Formats: sequence, structure tokens, C-alpha cells
Amino acid sequence: GAGVSQSPSNKVTEKGKDVELRCDPISGHTALYWYRQRLGQGLEFLIYFQGNSAPDKSGLPSDRFSAERTGESVSTLTIQRTQQEDSAVYLCASSFRRTVDETQYFGPGTRLLVL
Amino acid sequence: KQEVTQIPAALSVPEGENLVLNCSFTDSAIYNLQWFRQDPGKGLTSLLLIQSSQREQTSGRLNASLDKSSGRSTLYIAASQPGDSATYLCAVHSGNTPLVFGKGTRLSVIA
Repeated sequence: GAGVSQSPSNKVTEKGKDVELRCDPISGHTALYWYRQRLGQGLEFLIYFQGNSAPDKSGLPSDRFSAERTGESVSTLTIQRTQQEDSAVYLCASSFRRTVDETQYFGPGTRLLVL
Repeated sequence: KQEVTQIPAALSVPEGENLVLNCSFTDSAIYNLQWFRQDPGKGLTSLLLIQSSQREQTSGRLNASLDKSSGRSTLYIAASQPGDSATYLCAVHSGNTPLVFGKGTRLSVIA
């Protein structure tokens, strides 16, 4: 079956512009995660969705970052007024449910470059 | 706050060698630890997941061990191949917190 897909695969934008990144999780997976990976750094948790529960936004670095998810399907991560430090690979992952033994399946990521 | 450290940051070995990647974490109250492989442009692939009650997990040429009390895990790769070249990430799951990742070890296996 299809894995997690993300679009676009690459995005170059100018400082100050808004960007939207999309994630299509594996069908039937109720949990969806967004991470950020800056050059030479580990993955940083951004936000997590579980079914219809309120999302865990504890990792969002500023109010310029927001994310939505429609039901248990597509999620969009929006970055407003992009800054150069937002340049990173943004990774999305999904799992069947959020329990301690559930493996997360990752998409290929969106490489964002803010000029 | 959980912190995960991976040593070495980079490693280059000739094909056929056995090798060990190290991961350490500061808070031993974990539920599980995962090893991932990251290939350029292809995201992350889960390799092994060790529950806190387990000591090791094996998959093919890979063996991961966990010593929760000392906050350490190792990933052993036997008979390395050029196709093993990738970045290997260790991640820890503690309670309701999201996965905490190390910065990874970049492995190059030279033919």
C-alpha cells in the first residue's frame, strides 16, 4: 500500500512569504506528526494530531507556525512570514494510533529554503 | 527534559566490517527506543523498536541492545555493505512526550 506522501518535495521562497506544506498519511492511521530537521540537527517535534482530539502544539516554535488536519486524512502545515531560520526539511509521520509501541511511518519530507 | 546523544557523528568503514553505533539518553524512564535509517530524499525508515522491558532486538544483520538503567543503546551492524550507507537515528519515547531524536550517525561503507 501507499506510504506517507508529502508535497511539495522542495520549496524555495522569499523571506516574508507564507508557505503551505501538505502531508497525506497512510490510510487508517489516526495519529499524525510533524517534525522539523535543520541542517546538521536532529528532528524537532512540531505538532501532533490524534483522531478528533485537540492537537498537541507544544513543539511549534512560534505563532507563525500552524497546522490543520481534516478528520483522519490530509494535514497542512502553514508557515507565515517565513524567515531564513525556517529553512529545514519538514517531515510528516503517521501511525495507526498513538500508543507506546506504535511505529511511526515517515514521509520523504519537504525541503524548504527561505532566501 | 530528555536529551539523546549519538556517537560518533560520522563513521566510514570498509565493506565487510562489523560496526557499532552508540546512543545515550538522559532520562531512563522510557517506554521504548527506536533506531531509524534516513536516506537522502527518502525520509526515515524504522529499523528496530525495543520496548523498555526488552534487552535487545534483532533483524537480519542488525542487532539493537538497550540498557535502560545506564541510558544507553547500541546498534550493531554485521558484515556491512555499501547499501548500509545512510544516516542512523536513535529516538526515545517517554510517556506522553513525542519522540526525542538524536542528531544521527552518518555511516559510509566503502566498497
